[in-house]
Amino acid sequence: DIQMTQSPSSLSASVGDRVSITCRASQGISNSLVWYQQKPGKAPKFLLYGASRLESGVPSRFSGSGSGTDYTLTISSLLPEDFATYYCQQYYSTPPTFGGGTKVEIK
Amino acid sequence: QLQLQESGPGLVKPSETLSLTCTVSGGSISSSSYYWGWIRQPPGKGLEWIGSFYYSGSTYYNPSLKSRVTISVDTSKNHFSLKVSSVTAADTSVYYCARHTNAYYFDYWGQGTLVTVSS
Repeated sequence: DIQMTQSPSSLSASVGDRVSITCRASQGISNSLVWYQQKPGKAPKFLLYGASRLESGVPSRFSGSGSGTDYTLTISSLLPEDFATYYCQQYYSTPPTFGGGTKVEIK
Repeated sequence: QLQLQESGPGLVKPSETLSLTCTVSGGSISSSSYYWGWIRQPPGKGLEWIGSFYYSGSTYYNPSLKSRVTISVDTSKNHFSLKVSSVTAADTSVYYCARHTNAYYFDYWGQGTLVTVSS
């Protein structure tokens, strides 16, 4: 199985801050990466696929980048509704595997 | 609007079989475009894919759970089901059903249902 490692596991930030979350795969995944946002008690919400392609309706302050084994989710200017836990997931091979999550908290 | 809804017992005894159903509305599980799967999340922890099925009848399971998991389908009711046998406390999780394409990422999710394994 491909192991996905996210960092940091948590971060504190303020409204308006630029935030970046990193996801590293144990082998190259050719941009077969998605990001989800999860709020407490809710299902994950699909944000981006193909490492950098925004799902329809997702605000443009979210962006993704990366290649090979290393990928980044960036939120350009945090809004109150962005405080949540973010997960990456590879779909390069089965089983699909998820990162451990990054909790974005209010400073 | 596609909606998925999990249902089933919230409490299962150790060594017994966990059974859940996902009812789909606003779309057909017989669509050739999509796969339908199960993902779980232990309280306070990360996500784990359990398995999926395709309308052709093919099923795909996570090797880590394959020996204990069965996914079945009832197209007449537009729902699919999950069974996990010989459960232990480690199977206590929120169980989600979700849709994906042949690219295994999940674009629509149910709200999730907590299943606790305890005597």
